[in-house]
Amino acid sequence: GNSVTQMEGPVTLSEEAFLTINCTYTATGYPSLFWYVQYPGEGLQLLLKATKADDKGSNKGFEATYRKETTSFHLEKGSVQVSDSAVYFCALSHTDKLIFGTGTRLQVFP
Amino acid sequence: DAGVIQSPRHEVTEMGQEVTLRCKPISGHNSLFWYRQTMMRGLELLIYFNNNVPIDDSGMPEDRFSAKMPNASFSTLKIQPSEPRDSAVYFCASSFSGQGERYTFGSGTRLTVV
Repeated sequence: GNSVTQMEGPVTLSEEAFLTINCTYTATGYPSLFWYVQYPGEGLQLLLKATKADDKGSNKGFEATYRKETTSFHLEKGSVQVSDSAVYFCALSHTDKLIFGTGTRLQVFP
Repeated sequence: DAGVIQSPRHEVTEMGQEVTLRCKPISGHNSLFWYRQTMMRGLELLIYFNNNVPIDDSGMPEDRFSAKMPNASFSTLKIQPSEPRDSAVYFCASSFSGQGERYTFGSGTRLTVV
């Protein structure tokens, strides 16, 4: 079946550190891939997306590249800020619905 | 646009009581999704509707849960009777034809069953 696996959290970093959150997927066909972010007390918001192999999604300094050969879509940011503290969800689209990973909590300290 | 509107924001109820969660999707969106979020299981899709018709309810945990969408602008998720293990944050999301990049989530309803 279709599924998404994310690294366990929490990820704890100092401000300006480099961030990587790993995500791998299992899917039939060629799904679109997404990263969503959830700030405390809020719903999920789309952060970035990629719709085909080798596409790179980017937004707010975050990037992720759709790697078909490794079935991965790792999230990266070169220099995190305290305001990036949130839960990050990797997801894939399957027909009409999104399938989410379990989420990875990021905590950034000054 | 006010976004996806959920009510109530918080609900505390006693075990055995009926609970009804409400959702108003974004106007023009024709797909609606109910998710449940817990620490143990993360974000689970319970049910989704397309054009007001339930398409996939395989995520509904048991018969105590039911969902309706009587029209394009309103949906309910009902739990009867409620149990402490139902305590979670319930999110509603809507989109146009299930396009992942156009999902909009509500702020959620935090349900506590004591």
